Amino acid sequence: SQQGEEDPQALSIQEGENATMNCSYKTSINNLQWYRQNSGRGLVHLILIRSNEREKHSGRLRVTLDTSKKSSSLLITASRAADTASYFCATDVMDSSYKLIFGSGTRLLVRP
Amino acid sequence: KAGVTQTPRYLIKTRGQQVTLSCSPISGHRSVSWYQQTPGQGLQFLFEYFSETQRNKGNFPGRFSGRQFSNSRSEMNVSTLELGDSALYLCASRLVVEKETQYFGPGTRLLVL
Repeated sequence: SQQGEEDPQALSIQEGENATMNCSYKTSINNLQWYRQNSGRGLVHLILIRSNEREKHSGRLRVTLDTSKKSSSLLITASRAADTASYFCATDVMDSSYKLIFGSGTRLLVRP
Repeated sequence: KAGVTQTPRYLIKTRGQQVTLSCSPISGHRSVSWYQQTPGQGLQFLFEYFSETQRNKGNFPGRFSGRQFSNSRSEMNVSTLELGDSALYLCASRLVVEKETQYFGPGTRLLVL
């Protein structure tokens, strides 16, 4: 089963609004990463947050991590139509498996 | 630096055939991972290679195999294709150090008829 579950599954907002996506996971992690995917293309890395970090910013992106609740959130501020995509969280699990375990993803639609 | 490249980008095969997909990692990256993405199962880990050695394998049948060459390029092979193998196959590379960002290629979309 997948490590991460994301909610909402789909989100529709107006351009200029903020979008918040949540990710929950099950086991201890080294880090958590967020990726964006446009229309079934490759994954674009957005941001990595380590297990000892609580918040990280990159441009219009803000990521939080709560290891006690095993959850993370991605906030996109002042959204643009070009932000329309699917967003995935991926956990780098704290073992020697060398793999990322992906959540189910959130489909974001930003209406112009 | 050039990103991760995958060839071919699109492929149509029929049941029972086999297929080989190729991945060239970012220059200097020695770890290559493969993932399968389907609408039903989402993104699932296939395997990871480092220095020509498979370090981990996901929960896929033995029809799925891979290898890595001395220049870090990797190939994955699927034999005796089934309809359910239709998917987007994604390759990712990263530096030697674990716990770091994986960079993904554009994927190979495989359709099995």
